[in-house]
Amino acid sequence: GAVVSQHPSRVICKSGTSVKIECRSLDFQATTMFWYRQFPKQSLMLMATSNEGSKATYEQGVEKDKFLINHASLTLSTLTVTSAHPEDSSFYICSARPGSAEAFFGQGTRLTVV
Amino acid sequence: AQSVTQPDIHITVSEGASLELRCNYSYGATPYLFWYVQSPGQGLQLLLKYFSGDTLVQGIKGFEAEFKRSQSSFNLRKPSVHWSDAAEYFCAVGAGGATNKLIFGTGTLLAVQP
Repeated sequence: GAVVSQHPSRVICKSGTSVKIECRSLDFQATTMFWYRQFPKQSLMLMATSNEGSKATYEQGVEKDKFLINHASLTLSTLTVTSAHPEDSSFYICSARPGSAEAFFGQGTRLTVV
Repeated sequence: AQSVTQPDIHITVSEGASLELRCNYSYGATPYLFWYVQSPGQGLQLLLKYFSGDTLVQGIKGFEAEFKRSQSSFNLRKPSVHWSDAAEYFCAVGAGGATNKLIFGTGTLLAVQP
């Protein structure tokens, strides 16, 4: 099946700094990618839809100035958590759907803000 | 609005016993339905999907699911559970197409006892 690679898998940063997470589709082109956030023992909550060459579409309640999404190419989307705070600590997962097929997920990124 | 309900937050079964995980959805049109499994700290792996056709779908690792339109359900089953099946299971619903997002249920945590 299609492969989605997410990097880094784990990151620890200081409060107030910014962190960038990359999501790459390795063997297919993805005009759209999705970013999810998952709190411990909870489900995946869609944060935003990343659109290649245009602005991301954010879900209600997600701060677009805090969670910057860039989809510069057909195989790469990045999520930058700006001015991170401990409450931003979470598991972030990206996904992409090649055509009408199922979504393929990255391995996830565990962000810890100290 | 689309929604997915997984009534069981936590289920414990004995190894070798049968398993059924429940999923109910709300969707205005014919849904695309998915079951994913997540091991701790990992991304999601697709178990099976339903797009159309035969309402009983077979997936990987011996799992199957049955789409019942009249009940708006897509329950996941396995006749004999293995200890390695212990994980979190998510049901998801969405429309077809690369640009369409998935909506996830809250997940069911499966524990397998010897």
